Amino acid sequence: GEDVEQSLFLSVREGDSSVINCTYTDSSSTYLYWYKQEPGAGLQLLTYIFSNMDMKQDQRLTVLLNKKDKHLSLRIADTQTGDSAIYFCAVCTGGGNKLTFGTGTQLKVEL
Amino acid sequence: DADVTQTPRNRITKTGKRIMLECSQTKGHDRMYWYRQDPGLGLRLIYYSFDVKDINKGEISDGYSVSRQAQAKFSLSLESAIPNQTALYFCATSEGGHGRDTEAFFGQGTRLTVV
Repeated sequence: GEDVEQSLFLSVREGDSSVINCTYTDSSSTYLYWYKQEPGAGLQLLTYIFSNMDMKQDQRLTVLLNKKDKHLSLRIADTQTGDSAIYFCAVCTGGGNKLTFGTGTQLKVEL
Repeated sequence: DADVTQTPRNRITKTGKRIMLECSQTKGHDRMYWYRQDPGLGLRLIYYSFDVKDINKGEISDGYSVSRQAQAKFSLSLESAIPNQTALYFCATSEGGHGRDTEAFFGQGTRLTVV
């Protein structure tokens, strides 16, 4: 089945950029997502990218997709303390019927 | 009010007990899902349902069962709880297959501890 990998932790200083990386195995994945989980809460969709795109920008968020290397990244510009959360990469599998989630990356923003 | 509501939010139960986690949604979606979250493992799919009559096993269904009582309600049962089922459980819903216009909406989670 699909395997989605992320590093577990990332620490950045407030105002710096954060880059969270994700690798996946299924080259037929069509949609790839980033979800954010704040403490004590469920997951919320941040952004997504379709597999025929290389980049998508949405305010402070930039998603880069390297389909050849099966690598997805999320860049957060001007990272704020409110960005501290767990970020999950997820890919669409099973013909669109399922999401496979990565392990999650805990982002800590320090003053 | 939340779009997806899970009850209870926290539960401690003993090994061997039967426990039910409940989920209701107000989105009017046909598709509902149960996931468990474990540190370092991300979210793993337990069961999913495309409509009231269509229930499917996910990647880790052993030891769990589900019931789709109505379009809006999807409950998860642990028939005989064991300690390695201690986890954070999430219910989610989506309008259709996962795609551009299909966001998955998650409940706030149920923290289950089996002692």
